[in-house]
Amino acid sequence: ETGVTQSPTHLIKTRGQQVTLRCSSQSGHNTVSWYQQALGQGPQFIFQYYREEENGRGNFPPRFSGLQFPNYSSELNVNALELDDSALYLCASSWTDSYNEQFFGPGTRLTVL
Amino acid sequence: AQSVTQLDSQVPVFEEAPVELRCNYSSSVSVYLFWYVQYPNQGLQLLLKYLSGSTLVKGINGFEAEFNKSQTSFHLRKPSVHISDTAEYFCAVSDPNPYSGAGSYQLTFGKGTKLSVIP
Repeated sequence: ETGVTQSPTHLIKTRGQQVTLRCSSQSGHNTVSWYQQALGQGPQFIFQYYREEENGRGNFPPRFSGLQFPNYSSELNVNALELDDSALYLCASSWTDSYNEQFFGPGTRLTVL
Repeated sequence: AQSVTQLDSQVPVFEEAPVELRCNYSSSVSVYLFWYVQYPNQGLQLLLKYLSGSTLVKGINGFEAEFNKSQTSFHLRKPSVHISDTAEYFCAVSDPNPYSGAGSYQLTFGKGTKLSVIP
């Protein structure tokens, strides 16, 4: 059984640029959630994807967008990067019909200069 | 909206001593409760979860937690800590997303507690 994987592991961008982060869900999981973890904080829910559609969103602006593909992998896109977007971005996969246990990937560390 | 409060940002404890990490949540509905551990430069690993049933939940690495509905608490305990337990611990609650339809869940996390085990 393959766990949740994310790429890249680290990324450096400048303010105003756009970034795409990728996540492969654990085998058998059909739901992907994305979280932002700023330094010294707990993870914050960005959004969730189920059956290739957004299925819930936290308090993040529209410049945070995502996709889910037929194989359940997912992308997180952030446009017009701001300094405060610097964070660890975590992807978690789960099976919707279960009790919502989410399995996390190792994260992508994004630094915005 | 849900909120989770972890009452201690840092907890130093000597090796082989007991430890309790405190967590309180706000909710007016049934929730699922979780504790995750995060080692430096890594993602989150599930320690244990409460879904229903017995209020005492046992997890991995000798950790356990007790769900107290009247006090809306879910404190994490370990009777004897090891150096390898040094990490950050996050309490989380799962509740249907108030912004979307039924069946959509999100995890709301506390700010974390850094456990430092002193040799």
